[in-house]
Amino acid sequence: NAGVMQNPRHLVRRRGQEARLRCSPMKGHSHVYWYRQLPEEGLKFMVYLQKENIIDESGMPKERFSAEFPKEGPSILRIQQVVRGDSAAYFCASSPTGQGSNQPQHFGDGTRLSIL
Amino acid sequence: QKEVEQNSGPLSVPEGAIASLNCTYSDRGSQSFFWYRQYSGKSPELIMFIYSNGDKEDGRFTAQLNKASQYVSLLIRDSQPSDSATYLCAVKSGTSYGKLTFGQGTILTVHP
Repeated sequence: NAGVMQNPRHLVRRRGQEARLRCSPMKGHSHVYWYRQLPEEGLKFMVYLQKENIIDESGMPKERFSAEFPKEGPSILRIQQVVRGDSAAYFCASSPTGQGSNQPQHFGDGTRLSIL
Repeated sequence: QKEVEQNSGPLSVPEGAIASLNCTYSDRGSQSFFWYRQYSGKSPELIMFIYSNGDKEDGRFTAQLNKASQYVSLLIRDSQPSDSATYLCAVKSGTSYGKLTFGQGTILTVHP
């Protein structure tokens, strides 16, 4: 499967726990984007990363949320001390080039995060 | 004013008809425009993208862009029940690096 791979597909956490969401971009893509979709709402941009760099994190909540895209391995979106309001679908997208590029972004299947 | 607005739905059309989905955006610096389809519980799937004023056709789909009016639309000809989904308009501005700004989506139902 050459598409954007996200895991897990479903994640259940209790309030106060940590959630780690993983994303491997499409082959040949080095730019990763994370979006959040709250129930009955549209997709909202969170963060844009290239390998080892955060390019734009303007959509990330200031606290508890962090993202990384290491030189080796998948991109990780980390949510610490989760609260019920974090329940959402988190989508990762990738593109072959990023800044200044018009290349379309292709989305993974998402991680559905549920907070008990 | 929302950055990206789509015509309020839901939109219902009979099978075989033309479905017209509309989107307006507020940032005049926007350069790239995308239409995604999202089935319930699934991920967004790229349908069309357009960068220049005018029409772009791909099979049953036609995207139309008018930068002067800050308007982009998607026409679906010969609509099929399998086209029933939420259609998302997404815009990338010239200054936002890779960030896509999405509209709230229009739910399309094609009834037999």
